Amino acid sequence: NAGVMQNPRHLVRRRGQEARLRCSPMKGHSHVYWYRQLPEEGLKFMVYLQKENIIDESGMPKERFSAEFPKEGPSILRIQQVVRGDSAAYFCASSPSQGAQPQHFGDGTRLSIL
Amino acid sequence: DQQVKQNSPSLSVQEGRISILNCDYTNSMFDYFLWYKKYPAEGPTFLISISSIKDKNEDGRFTVFLNKSAKHLSLHIVPSQPGDSAVYFCAAKGGGTSYGKLTFGQGTILTVHP
Repeated sequence: NAGVMQNPRHLVRRRGQEARLRCSPMKGHSHVYWYRQLPEEGLKFMVYLQKENIIDESGMPKERFSAEFPKEGPSILRIQQVVRGDSAAYFCASSPSQGAQPQHFGDGTRLSIL
Repeated sequence: DQQVKQNSPSLSVQEGRISILNCDYTNSMFDYFLWYKKYPAEGPTFLISISSIKDKNEDGRFTVFLNKSAKHLSLHIVPSQPGDSAVYFCAAKGGGTSYGKLTFGQGTILTVHP
């Protein structure tokens, strides 16, 4: 399967714990976008990364959220000290170059906070 | 500030008839528009797109129309099939320093009845 791979598909955390979401882009893609979908809403942009660089993090909450895309390995979206409001579906998309469309999406990680 | 709006939360259509999904936007800097289809528990799948320099793009049963002066686009599906039942998202990409991030509408649930 050469598509965008996200894991885990489902993640349950208690309030105050850390959540780590992983995304492996499509083969040949080095640009990764993270989006969040709250219940009954559309997807909202969070962050755009290239290998080893954060290009645009204008959609990221100022605290507790961070993202990285190391030279080797998947992109990681990290949420520290999770709260109930972090419960959402988190989707990763990739593209072969900056601005190239369409972006190809993974099946998401559904994060539930107890 | 909802820059991309899909004002119909749901649409019900008989199999074989036309489905028309609508989308309005407010940001005149958007230069590329996409439609994605999403099934439950899956990621969005790209359907069709249109550049702002065009007013129509067709791909099989799917046609997207863009009216720049009205800041409005629509997706036509003809003929509609039960397998088309899904959530449809309109998305827009800005030019310049937007880095390709997408702004999504809230989605329209399409139900095609046999």
